Amino acid sequence: AQKVTQAQTEISVVEKEDVTLDCVYETRDTTYYLFWYKQPPSGELVFLIRRNSFDEQNEISGRYSWNFQKSTSSFNFTITASQVVDSAVYFCALSEAKSGYSTLTFGKGTMLLVSP
Amino acid sequence: DAEITQSPRHKITETGRQVTLACHQTWNHNNMFWYRQDLGHGLRLIHYSYGVHDTNKGEVSDGYSVSRSNTEDLPLTLESAASSQTSVYFCASSNTGYEQYFGPGTRLTVT
Repeated sequence: AQKVTQAQTEISVVEKEDVTLDCVYETRDTTYYLFWYKQPPSGELVFLIRRNSFDEQNEISGRYSWNFQKSTSSFNFTITASQVVDSAVYFCALSEAKSGYSTLTFGKGTMLLVSP
Repeated sequence: DAEITQSPRHKITETGRQVTLACHQTWNHNNMFWYRQDLGHGLRLIHYSYGVHDTNKGEVSDGYSVSRSNTEDLPLTLESAASSQTSVYFCASSNTGYEQYFGPGTRLTVT
């Protein structure tokens, strides 16, 4: 079974629409970290957020928000009022105790296409 | 500013040749990682290091090796390049428990 599942392979929206990218993870640890990364068409990987398992508060950063729910093992990412510059592949990742919280297990990514 | 660099950015090589990809970070991070990215597979961990003289195998380590002689560098060597190793390679670094910072990537083509 995948440790990090991003079931949405590709999402297409029109500019100004809100969009939610899903991430479901699997771990037996009580302490772990979750991450989101963005990979724009230029190819670099950009860190967006880190969340530890004890902090279930939602986070908002501008148009970006994250909803962490331990009960459903989900860490979903919402972009409000999407823009063309949001077009990218987005990766969710998990870091667990067995790796000393160092290595990351990535989901396969969700490609978001925002058209004007 | 601290950064992580990779060289070369693009490389074309022939099957059977030895190839080394360089990774250099100035974050002073203990941990360094090599990933490969392929369509349909996302990012897969090849090798990683927790510090000088420490190396560990990742999910897809066959045909690759690394060595860590200092904090800043973790070169990735393909012993005998194969067409299946055509990919985009990313290096990353981090402190334990924190986010990884990625280099710009190296696109390797094995013909």
